[in-house]
Amino acid sequence: EPEVTQTPSHQVTQMGQEVILRCVPISNHLYFYWYRQILGQKVEFLVSFYNNEISEKSEIFDDQFSVERPDGSNFTLKIRSTKLEDSAMYFCASSENPRRLAGDTQYFGPGTRLTVL
Amino acid sequence: SQKIEQNSEALNIQEGKTATLTCNYTNYSPAYLQWYRQDPGRGPVFLLLIRENEKEKRKERLKVTFDTTLKQSLFHITASQPADSATYLCAPVSGGYNKLIFGAGTRLAVHP
Repeated sequence: EPEVTQTPSHQVTQMGQEVILRCVPISNHLYFYWYRQILGQKVEFLVSFYNNEISEKSEIFDDQFSVERPDGSNFTLKIRSTKLEDSAMYFCASSENPRRLAGDTQYFGPGTRLTVL
Repeated sequence: SQKIEQNSEALNIQEGKTATLTCNYTNYSPAYLQWYRQDPGRGPVFLLLIRENEKEKRKERLKVTFDTTLKQSLFHITASQPADSATYLCAPVSGGYNKLIFGAGTRLAVHP
């Protein structure tokens, strides 16, 4: 069964450093997402991406964050200057058809645990 | 503002019993509602989707109901097994949007 993959599984970085989290969505999917989950808290939406542009973003997704689909398979989340509070699990997700009004299932990757020291 | 409430306390039940989890939402009218399962340190896994015009949906031992008047969804696991132990997340979704706004989740522990 196709699945979303993410690398690395764990990233440790120093405060102020840039990090890039990578995701390979399911190949025929058209809509991509990033979510984060701070330890012990709920899963929070960050950004959605469709047709090579951001569709929607949350208040968390400020100027320090950016997303990119550099080629036909990867989808990346960049944090320009990491803060301690960016420490969290970051999940990538993809879905097949955003135009299906009746609802669309999202498939999540295993996550990247980001630790900012 | 939109609010999603799930039982914050863990639900402990005996193997073989039916687990019932509640999801209440306020200040919006979702076109559909999804339920996901999350195991510790893993990503959410889709379980069921129910649309606003559906009262009930079933999949194997799982059943979801959706009451738009009460603004509530109930998630049932019948004949529960220890392998069902996990956190269950609900996500009501407004029409025209695809982002998932999750509740905090309910942790279910099924004891042998």
